[in-house]
Amino acid sequence: ETGVTQSPTHLIKTRGQQVTLRCSSQSGHNTVSWYQQALGQGPQFIFQYYREEENGRGNFPPRFSGLQFPNYSSELNVNALELDDSALYLCASSPPQRPGQETQYFGPGTRLLVL
Amino acid sequence: GQNIDQPTEMTATEGAIVQINCTYQTSGFNGLFWYQQHAGEAPTFLSYNVLDGLEEKGRFSSFLSRSKGYSYLLLKELQMKDSASYLCAVRDARSGSARQLTFGSGTQLTVLP
Repeated sequence: ETGVTQSPTHLIKTRGQQVTLRCSSQSGHNTVSWYQQALGQGPQFIFQYYREEENGRGNFPPRFSGLQFPNYSSELNVNALELDDSALYLCASSPPQRPGQETQYFGPGTRLLVL
Repeated sequence: GQNIDQPTEMTATEGAIVQINCTYQTSGFNGLFWYQQHAGEAPTFLSYNVLDGLEEKGRFSSFLSRSKGYSYLLLKELQMKDSASYLCAVRDARSGSARQLTFGSGTQLTVLP
């Protein structure tokens, strides 16, 4: 147990719809990163939030957007869903940046299926 | 950019030792991580290397050579529960304080009785 929680655990949507995924970070962690993991692949970095601002973005289109709230929880929003968006979406939190505290701790993920 | 390579699959016997290799090419390096991921579950942190050498943690050890762009994860006294995917990830040093991880595709380890 990492203390990182995500909701919902599973979700089924149809092409063109919009989805919001949620993440609560571990207590004391102020940075949240989101990853997409397709079946049989490693996680791919989507973006990272630090103190409520986007702080780095991977190679994902603008229809992937996010928010971080004052309590450091976060949302991932995906508009105009495509079939290829079907994947496990992982949230990872990490503590304030100090040497030896660089580790990211992952939540259980949300499995999204787009039909 | 980043490029990370690790074998797709490995098989070993219970009680044995297995070494999972990872090579990387990166424009900026700020640490290498190993994660374990059981099917349908989230990755769990195993080890972190930022300096050259061996880090030992119980049955698991991880080695890093920055000059060679090479790391390995060593698992000793294998147990059936060690059957999982092992992910090598490199942290990007390029973009400010963003601690982006770039993952390899994972090595699926099967431990046989």
